Amino acid sequence: AQKVTQAQTEISVVEKEDVTLDCVYETRDTTYYLFWYKQPPSGELVFLIRRNSFDEQNEISGRYSWNFQKSTSSFNFTITASQVVDSAVYFCALGNPYTGANSKLTFGKGITLSVRP
Amino acid sequence: GAVVSQHPSWVICKSGTSVKIECRSLDFQATTMFWYRQFPKQSLMLMATSNEGSKATYEQGVEKDKFLINHASLTLSTLTVTSAHPEDSSFYICSQRSPQETQYFGPGTRLLVL
Repeated sequence: AQKVTQAQTEISVVEKEDVTLDCVYETRDTTYYLFWYKQPPSGELVFLIRRNSFDEQNEISGRYSWNFQKSTSSFNFTITASQVVDSAVYFCALGNPYTGANSKLTFGKGITLSVRP
Repeated sequence: GAVVSQHPSWVICKSGTSVKIECRSLDFQATTMFWYRQFPKQSLMLMATSNEGSKATYEQGVEKDKFLINHASLTLSTLTVTSAHPEDSSFYICSQRSPQETQYFGPGTRLLVL
């Protein structure tokens, strides 16, 4: 069975602070995908990143960076110098390599990030 | 730009009516689309997987006669909430999986049943 745990439920920071959102996953698949999505108040889920299980390189995209550690089954997301526009719910998700009806995503419960000016 | 579109974005209806939500793939053909429901302050719950040209696959606990899914073409899947009741009020989101294994989501449809 697949499981994604986002232990933090709500985080509040002041603008320009750095913040790390944690994600821990469980899977028996040897090949899998990890995702982060952002859901602003408008509701639409915005794709941020996909990481393949065989690629443990960390990634940086502007103020966003991701740390994938297979040894601890974690895929943490750091926002540097946070801004008010970063306020949203952030979901970590786990995907499998199957196709069709079996290609499901397992979502964590989400982390509500509030960035105060 | 948007990869998946949904229509309508908002629906308010009376109890007992049926509501149809459309999900369109804009960038690529999708043999499989997914329908989720999200209640306030909760995560996304997968309702069903929509398969082009065949029957949808429903998750456990989701009534297939209540939530009718039709995937008649490679770019369109529809979800019909039949005889809607107030407890069906929710945020419904569709998604599709790209050839690169990423799921892209539509903007969602907020349904309010009075």
